[in-house]
Amino acid sequence: AQSVTQLGSHVSVSEGALVLLRCNYSSSVPPYLFWYVQYPNQGLQLLLKYTTGATLVKGINGFEAEFKKSETSFHLTKPSAHMSDAAEYFCAVSQLMGGGNKLTFGTGTQLKVEL
Amino acid sequence: DSGVTQTPKHLITATGQRVTLRCSPRSGDLSVYWYQQSLDQGLQFLIQYYNGEERAKGNILERFSAQQFPDLHSELNLSSLELGDSALYFCASSYGLAGPSSTDTQYFGPGTRLTVL
Repeated sequence: AQSVTQLGSHVSVSEGALVLLRCNYSSSVPPYLFWYVQYPNQGLQLLLKYTTGATLVKGINGFEAEFKKSETSFHLTKPSAHMSDAAEYFCAVSQLMGGGNKLTFGTGTQLKVEL
Repeated sequence: DSGVTQTPKHLITATGQRVTLRCSPRSGDLSVYWYQQSLDQGLQFLIQYYNGEERAKGNILERFSAQQFPDLHSELNLSSLELGDSALYFCASSYGLAGPSSTDTQYFGPGTRLTVL
């Protein structure tokens, strides 16, 4: 079974500082990986995804992630944090199941941005 | 706004009761997924329908059932409710079934918050 592990349930950064949210995956087949963001009292919004091809993936709101097969990682970064980035971030892997598929999510990382 | 709508936004009910959650997918999407988000279990996949047919099933309780109608909207029925069923229930939709295509990306609705008292 495929799975993802998010290191750090809470991350705090200063406004303008680098954001680094960690995600490691476990998969016996090439994974399809996703980052979603959840703002308070809202649904999940897709930030970016990796399927095949370029290993550096750019997403919305200035976020990007790099797929590193050798490290089984898909860490999310943003060069300069903004107050509006405060939210919970979920890494997910798509898993085929019979005739369908599902997303398996990590436990989430709550990002706090301080002045 | 993802284009996925869910009703109601909030639902408060008592143990032993039955509720129905409704989801309308994005226009043109054929797949509907249901997920449960709770503090102790995190985000868990429940079930997937594609064009009216069940395609994938997660750890969905026998007390829970779902269906997708010809107009592609979906309903999740929860019965004999217990305190532990209190959670946020998300619906997601995608055009395709599975694979790396952009049409297979899942877009989430705002969720229905269920509180069982």
